Amino acid sequence: KQEVTQIPAALSVPEGENLVLNCSFTDSAIYNLQWFRQDPGKGLTSLLLIQSSQREQTSGRLNASLDKSSGRSTLYIAASQPGDSATYLCAVRGRGSTLGRLYFGRGTQLTVWP
Amino acid sequence: ETGVTQSPTHLIKTRGQQVTLRCSSQSGHNTVSWYQQALGQGPQFIFQYYREEENGRGNFPPRFSGLQFPNYSSELNVNALELDDSALYLCASSRASEMRGRKDEQYFGPGTRLTVT
Repeated sequence: KQEVTQIPAALSVPEGENLVLNCSFTDSAIYNLQWFRQDPGKGLTSLLLIQSSQREQTSGRLNASLDKSSGRSTLYIAASQPGDSATYLCAVRGRGSTLGRLYFGRGTQLTVWP
Repeated sequence: ETGVTQSPTHLIKTRGQQVTLRCSSQSGHNTVSWYQQALGQGPQFIFQYYREEENGRGNFPPRFSGLQFPNYSSELNVNALELDDSALYLCASSRASEMRGRKDEQYFGPGTRLTVT
């Protein structure tokens, strides 16, 4: 069974810092990996999707890397801003499944203070 | 905005009651997945519907059931509500392509917050 772990569970930093959020998964046979942002009590906003054949994806100040063989992904946030405060979720889709089912971690709760 | 809508936004029910949650897919999407997110947890897969049939289920009891309609909108029904059913219920739509043999990226709705008292 696929297990997804995210470290740290919570992070509080001053504005302007560069951040690294970590995600690990137990079964490396994945189809893709996706990073989401979730504001309190809200739905999920997709940030980046990395296919299993890719090593990284970039969008603005966000960069996500994938090392499938070691079962790890990192989300790098450059020059953090208070508006980045949210919970960041990592999810993987298993390669063997025809369902498109996503397995989620518990998330990293990020607070960026001015 | 993803184009996926859910109703209602919030709901309060009593233990033992039944509830129906609704989801409208993004235009062009034919697959709907439902997830349950308890407070402080990551979303957990409930089930998925493709072409109006259940296409896989997570570790949830039969009192969780669903429907998908010809217009690809969907309902999640929960019978005999328990206190632990209190959670945010998320719907995600995607466009499956049989020729490519895969399910494309899922787009999530804003969720329905269910409180069972």
